[in-house]
Amino acid sequence: QQQVKQSPQSLIVQKGGISIINCAYENTAFDYFPWYQQFPGKGPALLIAIRPDVSEKKEGRFTISFNKSAKQFSLHIMDSQPGDSATYFCAASMGDDKIIFGKGTRLHILP
Amino acid sequence: DGGITQSPKYLFRKEGQNVTLSCEQNLNHDAMYWYRQDPGQGLRLIYYSQIVNDFQKGDIAEGYSVSREKKESFPLTVTSAQKNPTAFYLCASSKTGGNNEQFFGPGTRLTVL
Repeated sequence: QQQVKQSPQSLIVQKGGISIINCAYENTAFDYFPWYQQFPGKGPALLIAIRPDVSEKKEGRFTISFNKSAKQFSLHIMDSQPGDSATYFCAASMGDDKIIFGKGTRLHILP
Repeated sequence: DGGITQSPKYLFRKEGQNVTLSCEQNLNHDAMYWYRQDPGQGLRLIYYSQIVNDFQKGDIAEGYSVSREKKESFPLTVTSAQKNPTAFYLCASSKTGGNNEQFFGPGTRLTVL
């Protein structure tokens, strides 16, 4: 119930394409869904986050789509660039300060 | 500059030795966290602390210990009881009150020889 399942484990996308990473959760008490981006050898950093009262949030080329009934959410990266090559983690929390992370997706954008 | 520092960046230890990883933050955050990262395993919570002099076990606390004597500092000791300590260790901090961004340090890569 506390898990966040993330797919795919790795993803290769052509430059200019759309990268899509999917996550699913079971615990309906989760009320905050952040995405973190991590470059090799660095700590993760918050990329974008959404709360379940909205179905979509967009920041620049990054969009979170949220489906509350299906208990799924996804990250879309439009016009993917080589600089977007990183590991992406979806996550969920429910107000007790702990964050449950997915296992990560290694994204590689081909130049 | 506000942020989180971890030291050292690389650490080598012999089997059977305890080792302490440093984590300091000047963001005035009450909550601090330690995660372990292994390839394909994501971020697994070791310990977390929401206030000075108090901390809770995470999902994989066995073989680790922490202290929180100061708001700014949350050191992690990897003891000889940890069976597979080679990993990348990440420290993070956040405000308390629920659903707050966690700010991560640059990490420490520990290798047991």
